[in-house]
Amino acid sequence: GAVVSQHPSWVICKSGTSVKIECRSLDFQATTMFWYRQFPKQSLMLMATSNEGSKATYEQGVEKDKFLINHASLTLSTLTVTSAHPEDSSFYICSARGDTEAFFGQGTRLTVV
Amino acid sequence: AQRVTQPEKLLSVFKGAPVELKCNYSYSGSPELFWYVQYSRQRLQLLLRHISRESIKGFTADLNKGETSFHLKKPFAQEEDSAMYYCALSGYNQGGKLIFGQGTELSVKP
Repeated sequence: GAVVSQHPSWVICKSGTSVKIECRSLDFQATTMFWYRQFPKQSLMLMATSNEGSKATYEQGVEKDKFLINHASLTLSTLTVTSAHPEDSSFYICSARGDTEAFFGQGTRLTVV
Repeated sequence: AQRVTQPEKLLSVFKGAPVELKCNYSYSGSPELFWYVQYSRQRLQLLLRHISRESIKGFTADLNKGETSFHLKKPFAQEEDSAMYYCALSGYNQGGKLIFGQGTELSVKP
């Protein structure tokens, strides 16, 4: 099956700094990618839809200026958590839509200290 | 409003017992329903989707539009079925974005 890769798998950063998470579709092109946030033992919450070559579409309640999304190519979307705070600590997961199904990255564990 | 509800956070059964993971949805239209599985320390992966009407790893799920349900069933659970299971919904013409239920942890004991 198709592969979606996230980098890094985990990151620890200081409060107030920014962190960039990459999501790549390795063997297919994805005009649309999705970013989710997952709390321990809880559901995946859709944060935004990343569209290649255009602005991302954010879900209600998600701060656009806080979570910057860039989809510069058909195989790469990035999520930048700006001015991170401890409450931003979470598991972030991206997915990319293939021909018939969505494929998920392995996730990125962000810890803000 | 679009919503997916999985009422059980944890379901614990013995090996060989039947399993049913419940999923109800709310959507004004004809959604596409999915079951995703996440094994320990692995990424989320598609288990099955209602339009394909197939059985994967012995699991089946039937879409009941009258009851707005998409319960996942398996007649004889195996230990390797232990995982987190997520029911998800995708609306027509929504570009593939998924709305997930809260997830059910299935634990199959020997």
